[in-house]
Amino acid sequence: QLVLTQSPSASASLGASVKLTCTLSSGHSSYAIAWHQQQPEKGPRYLMKLNSDGSHSKGDGIPDRFSGSSSGAERYLTISSLQSEDEADYYCQTWGTGIGVFGGGTKLTVL
Amino acid sequence: QVQLVESGGGLVKPGGSLRLSCAASGFTFSDYYMSWIRQAPGKGLEWVSYISSSGSTIYYADSVKGRFTISRDNAKNSLYLQMNSLRAEDTAVYYCARDSGWYPYWGQGTLVTVSS
Repeated sequence: QLVLTQSPSASASLGASVKLTCTLSSGHSSYAIAWHQQQPEKGPRYLMKLNSDGSHSKGDGIPDRFSGSSSGAERYLTISSLQSEDEADYYCQTWGTGIGVFGGGTKLTVL
Repeated sequence: QVQLVESGGGLVKPGGSLRLSCAASGFTFSDYYMSWIRQAPGKGLEWVSYISSSGSTIYYADSVKGRFTISRDNAKNSLYLQMNSLRAEDTAVYYCARDSGWYPYWGQGTLVTVSS
């Protein structure tokens, strides 16, 4: 079964960097994923598509501070030079044939 | 620029029906797959349904199968979700999204509240 696992919460200081993790279930380590950001009281916003080899393609207007990487079944989102507006929920997402699968989301707090 | 605008949400009693619409612009609607995704209050994102560009292939989440129907009108650049036999647990913000496997574009969402 295709499942994505995320830590429920993370925190980091203003101006620092943070690395969020999304883990693919066993047998699915070759899958690409996407990262989406949801700021408080807003709809989701696509950040990037991240392939198993670490290559990624970002959405329109996504700053260079956001980057992605991969290792085995793990997919990472790194946010550098944290800003207050980065405080948000971050969801990873993948897909089967027509079927979308979301991780539970990570709530990022900027201290 | 790509725009997706949902409408049709509101308050409905358990067992009732509602039809959501999503108006698309800024891209050739008939070339793209589309999906509905929902978010219950305080919860995460849940994929609901998918439709292929021609409408010939459709998938549903088990939680809505047999109650919801996705459709599209490519001439009107519109996506729909007919929701029947609504339950309290269907209460959520419903988003339409352009579907490439991943979702590069999302609407702003429409709130559906199922309550007596």
